[in-house]
Amino acid sequence: AQSVTQLGSHVSVSEGALVLLRCNYSSSVPPYLFWYVQYPNQGLQLLLKYTSAATLVKGINGFEAEFKKSETSFHLTKPSAHMSDAAEYFCAVSYSSASKIIFGSGTRLSIRP
Amino acid sequence: EAQVTQNPRYLITVTGKKLTVTCSQNMNHEYMSWYRQDPGLGLRQIYYSMNVEVTDKGDVPEGYKVSRKEKRNFPLILESPSPNQTSLYFCASSISPGLAIGETQYFGPGTRLLVL
Repeated sequence: AQSVTQLGSHVSVSEGALVLLRCNYSSSVPPYLFWYVQYPNQGLQLLLKYTSAATLVKGINGFEAEFKKSETSFHLTKPSAHMSDAAEYFCAVSYSSASKIIFGSGTRLSIRP
Repeated sequence: EAQVTQNPRYLITVTGKKLTVTCSQNMNHEYMSWYRQDPGLGLRQIYYSMNVEVTDKGDVPEGYKVSRKEKRNFPLILESPSPNQTSLYFCASSISPGLAIGETQYFGPGTRLLVL
């Protein structure tokens, strides 16, 4: 079955430190991959997505993610964390334009002053 | 302004009392979807629709119905709500689930439902 695994339900980093949120997917066919962010008491917002154009994808707010087929991973990174990055982040996958989207269980990112 | 609206935003009801949560988008999107969000489980897709009169089950469709009579509206119907349907519900829309570069999936603000 198709699935998405986010390692770590909670990640805490210091302000200015590197942010790394991990996402692995299970697939034998090329996927479409997404990262979403949910700020407290708000809906989800698309951060970035991979649709087979380039393996390194740049998104909003300084985030980027790299698609690594050999590792079936799509980890999210940001070089320097800001307090405003505190939120919950969801990785998601779909496999065709007509398929459903599967979300990971989410990773809550906390930023220490 | 491009947006997805949901109503109501908060709802408390009792077991068995039919309810409808409305969802409307103003972007002429073909794809619409409903999700529920529960702690530790992330978002799970309930139903999705590729276009008018075309709907399909997501991961957790039991206890829910949807309809897509018009492109802009995609209501979620709970015919006989039960306490295990207490959750935070999101509606979303996009041109397609994830094909063309530059697309964005838009989410509504959420509907928090409590079934007693």
